[in-house]
This record gives sequence, C-alpha cells and structure tokens, in this order.
Amino acid sequence: DAMVIQNPRYQVTQFGKPVTLSCSQTLNHNVMYWYQQKSSQAPKLLFHYYDKDFNNEADTPDNFQSRRPNTSFCFLDIRSPGLGDTAMYLCATSREHNQPQHFGDGTRLSIL
Amino acid sequence: AQSVTQPDIHITVSEGASLELRCNYSYGATPYLFWYVQSPGQGLQLLLKYFSGDTLVQGIKGFEAEFKRSQSSFNLRKPSVHWSDAAEYFCAVVIGSSNTGKLIFGQGTTLQVKP
Repeated sequence: DAMVIQNPRYQVTQFGKPVTLSCSQTLNHNVMYWYQQKSSQAPKLLFHYYDKDFNNEADTPDNFQSRRPNTSFCFLDIRSPGLGDTAMYLCATSREHNQPQHFGDGTRLSIL
Repeated sequence: AQSVTQPDIHITVSEGASLELRCNYSYGATPYLFWYVQSPGQGLQLLLKYFSGDTLVQGIKGFEAEFKRSQSSFNLRKPSVHWSDAAEYFCAVVIGSSNTGKLIFGQGTTLQVKP
C-alpha cells in the first residue's frame, strides 16, 4: 500500500545533541510537510517542500532544518535540541497544497 | 485572520449513542474542509473532506459531515459510536490555492466513549 513512513518511531537524545528524523513516501506526492505536535495540541507546521522548493514558517526555530534529496525522502534535522523540543514530529504529503494530506505515524522525540 | 474553532475540548458519549462534533471556520472564500482523527501515539487519518458539490459528505468508519455556508460550520456526525472511536478529532481548512494552500487546524476535540 502507498504510504508515508517515519523512522524512527521513538527517539531519545541528549540536550544539545543533533538528531535527524526521516520520512519516506510511496505516493509520489509533490508536497512534503513537517509538523511538530505537543501534548494535547494541534499539529504546528514547521516547513514544507513543494518538489525542491523549500518554505519555512516564520516562527520555526533556526535550529530546525530540513532536506529533501529526492521525491521520496525528506529529513528533519534539529541541530541543538532543547528540552522544549520534546514532541511528536509528524510528516505528511499531499499532491498539491490544497489537497488532502496523508500523515505518517510520527516520531516521538524526547530530549533529556 | 483565517481560523478554525472546535468549541468542545472534550466530549464523552456512551457506546451506541449518536455523536456530533462541532467545527466553525473563518475564511472569506469557500474553503476546502477536512476532518482528521488521531488515535494515541499515531498520526492523523483523514475521515472525510469537502471541496464542493453536495454539502453532506460521507467518510470512512461511518462518519459524515455537513457543510453549512450560512453558519460557517462543518460538523462531524456518527449515528452510533463504537468504543474504538475514542480518539482526538481535528477539523481543518485549507486556505489558498493549489500552489500556496496551507492547512489550518482547529484545537481538537477529545472523544471519550463510555461502555
């Protein structure tokens, strides 16, 4: 089945130690998104790619970066994670910006 | 500014009872509307969507939603709730075009189902 896969499902890392989360898709969608979701809150968009064009949300912290080396893969890099970055990170894809988004199961990141 | 409001933070219903989750949006043009469900520790799953046409849309798992332009609402309904429906429900609207659209979420409604 076509899907969005995130790895790892759970990640524990130390304060200040760089971490990379990955997302892959078999849907061949143009747009890939990264969201941060904290407990009991709605997902918050960090950034997205339309094909190779990168779009950063204005309030996304500078230590959050992303890479999309090809259509299928997208990575979220957190250069120096702080305790406040503990959250669920969700990857999503859509054919176009105004089409339904398909979500992965998320990576639950804990910063100690 | 465009926004989505889910007035009910938490709802508890008995298994077998009917359900209605409320959603109101603020957007000048006709929006694209969605309902997503999120089980604990999981991603979001699309329940249904409204783009145009018939204002009553059917979704998966027996859910339906009705778009009412005059009330700026897109309420989600299910005639008989199952224990497995306990989850977080998000209403969302896409604002903008196919090139610039952005998904705006409501705050979410937590559904608890009593046996």
